[in-house]
Amino acid sequence: GDSVTQMEGPVTLSEEAFLTINCTYTATGYPSLFWYVQYPGEGLQLLLKATKADDKGSNKGFEATYRKETTSFHLEKGSVQVSDSAVYFCALLIYNQGGKLIFGQGTELSVKP
Amino acid sequence: NAGVMQNPRHLVRRRGQEARLRCSPVKGHSHVYWYRQLPEEGLKFMVYLQKENIIDESGMPKERFSAEFPKEGPSILRIQQVVRGDSAAYFCASSPVPSGGGTEQFFGPGTRLTVL
Repeated sequence: GDSVTQMEGPVTLSEEAFLTINCTYTATGYPSLFWYVQYPGEGLQLLLKATKADDKGSNKGFEATYRKETTSFHLEKGSVQVSDSAVYFCALLIYNQGGKLIFGQGTELSVKP
Repeated sequence: NAGVMQNPRHLVRRRGQEARLRCSPVKGHSHVYWYRQLPEEGLKFMVYLQKENIIDESGMPKERFSAEFPKEGPSILRIQQVVRGDSAAYFCASSPVPSGGGTEQFFGPGTRLTVL
């Protein structure tokens, strides 16, 4: 079946450190890939997305490249800030199979000053 | 522009009572999705509705749970005879067109249900 696997957290970094959160997927169809962010006590916000292989999504200094050959969509940021502390979810959606987003388990990021 | 609105934000019920969760999508959005986030877990899809129709309910528990999205008014997720295992955060999302082509789903702030 379709699934998403993320690296386990929590991840603790110092401010200005480099961030990588790994995400791999299994998909029976042709997926679009997403990263969502959830700040404490809030709902999910779309951070970035990619809809086809080799596309790079980017937003607020975060980047992720859709790698079909490795079935991966790793999230990266060159220099994290305290305000980036949140839970990050990788998700996929299979083309033309309705609207079922399939989420990874989430990775909690804590950035210390 | 108002985003997705959910109410109540927090709901406490005793075992055996009914819980009704409301979701008002972004204005103009006719596609609504419900997800559940159990403690220490990621979000799991429950149901996808379009106005007056259930499109995909493959994630809904077979008993006690129902959802609707009437022609007028908010979408409702209804849980009858709640049990402690229903305690979770329930999120609603909406989109202007079916999300299957990669269209973003906009999420609400969630309803946190606690069953005593």
